[in-house]
Amino acid sequence: DIQMTQSPSSLSASVGDRVTISCRASQNIYIYLNWYQQKPGKAPNLLICGASNLQSGVPSRFSGSGSGTDFTLTISSLQPEDFATYYCQQSYTTPYTFGQGTKLKIK
Amino acid sequence: EVQLVQSGAEVKKPGESLKISCKGSGYIFTNSWIAWMRQMPGKGLEWMGIIYPRDSDTTYSPSFQGQVTISVDKAISTAYLQWSSLKASDTAVYYCARQVYASGSFHYNWFDPWGQGTLVTVSS
Repeated sequence: DIQMTQSPSSLSASVGDRVTISCRASQNIYIYLNWYQQKPGKAPNLLICGASNLQSGVPSRFSGSGSGTDFTLTISSLQPEDFATYYCQQSYTTPYTFGQGTKLKIK
Repeated sequence: EVQLVQSGAEVKKPGESLKISCKGSGYIFTNSWIAWMRQMPGKGLEWMGIIYPRDSDTTYSPSFQGQVTISVDKAISTAYLQWSSLKASDTAVYYCARQVYASGSFHYNWFDPWGQGTLVTVSS
């Protein structure tokens, strides 16, 4: 199985901060990398697919980059509604696997 | 609007059987794979398996192979996840999601939308 490792596991930040979350794959997954946001009690919501493609309706303060084994999700200016848990997911091969999640908390 | 609507919360006893559902609408149900994910209390997301409604082709995660059965009734645009004998460790929220493929040379894919989730509680 391809292991997905996110860092950090949790992060405290303030409104207006720039935040970066990293995701590393245990082998080359090219651009087969997605990012999801999950709020408490809700289903995950797709933010970015194919490593860098912003899903329709997602604010432009979210961006994704990377290829191969190293990927990054960046939020350019945190808004109150961005405090949530973020997951990366590889879609290169089954079993599809998720990172362990990064919980973004208000400082 | 593309939508997946899951069946409601369940409370079961260990050893009981269960089948939960996921109904698709707003798209051609037989054209997209449907995946199931597990989220145990306070934990992350785990991919369980995936089914292609057109021919019921199914792939399971090795972690879930033999533990659950994924099926589909394409006549009513509904996918199912079932257990024959539940354990307390099956307590979790279960999500279905549609797999979407990009066009072009890189067939990267993603899960969207997701169902609202079904909470399964197994307790004696």
